[in-house]
Amino acid sequence: GENVEQHPSTLSVQEGDSAVIKCTYSDSASNYFPWYKQELGKRPQLIIDIRSNVGEKKDQRIAVTLNKTAKHFSLHITETQPEDSAVYFCAASIGGANNLFFGTGTRLTVIP
Amino acid sequence: DAGVIQSPRHEVTEMGQEVTLRCKPISGHDYLFWYRQTMMRGLELLIYFNNNVPIDDSGMPEDRFSAKMPNASFSTLKIQPSEPRDSAVYFCASSLTSGSSEQYFGPGTRLTVT
Repeated sequence: GENVEQHPSTLSVQEGDSAVIKCTYSDSASNYFPWYKQELGKRPQLIIDIRSNVGEKKDQRIAVTLNKTAKHFSLHITETQPEDSAVYFCAASIGGANNLFFGTGTRLTVIP
Repeated sequence: DAGVIQSPRHEVTEMGQEVTLRCKPISGHDYLFWYRQTMMRGLELLIYFNNNVPIDDSGMPEDRFSAKMPNASFSTLKIQPSEPRDSAVYFCASSLTSGSSEQYFGPGTRLTVT
């Protein structure tokens, strides 16, 4: 099956700085890569996703990049705010299947 | 729509007891997933259903765990007998085949086995 690795496990940034979280995947058949945000005590929620026919996608302060050759994808958050503090999970899905393989999560702390 | 509904939200039980977790997916969604989340192991997929049929249960830890989906609007995850190492947050999620593949998570059930 697919194996998704995520780094770093924890990340602290000053408010206003950028944060980058990186993931790698093992199965070249994976073609859907969502990112979920989980606030403390809450459920994971989708914040952005990208499909393998696209190299980059942006949504306001959030962007995701995908390098299919290297099998890695990254989440970029610019102008971080305290409300961005949460655990972020990357995931991958093989061949359009609906099941997701999740990374181990990154705990982001934005320091005011 | 109220979103994915899970019950109970919290469950405390003694080792050896049977535990049943319940989930109602979003109406019209044809995929249902059960996850377990712990600090040590992160978010683990236990089992998922498509059109009420179990597709992959390779993530189910052992025979003590079982899941059913008798109809499109209800699923259960049962642990019998429960053990302290089963303590975790259990999430149910649903998605739609023809949609964006986004999974919508329920609020989770926090299980504590003493």
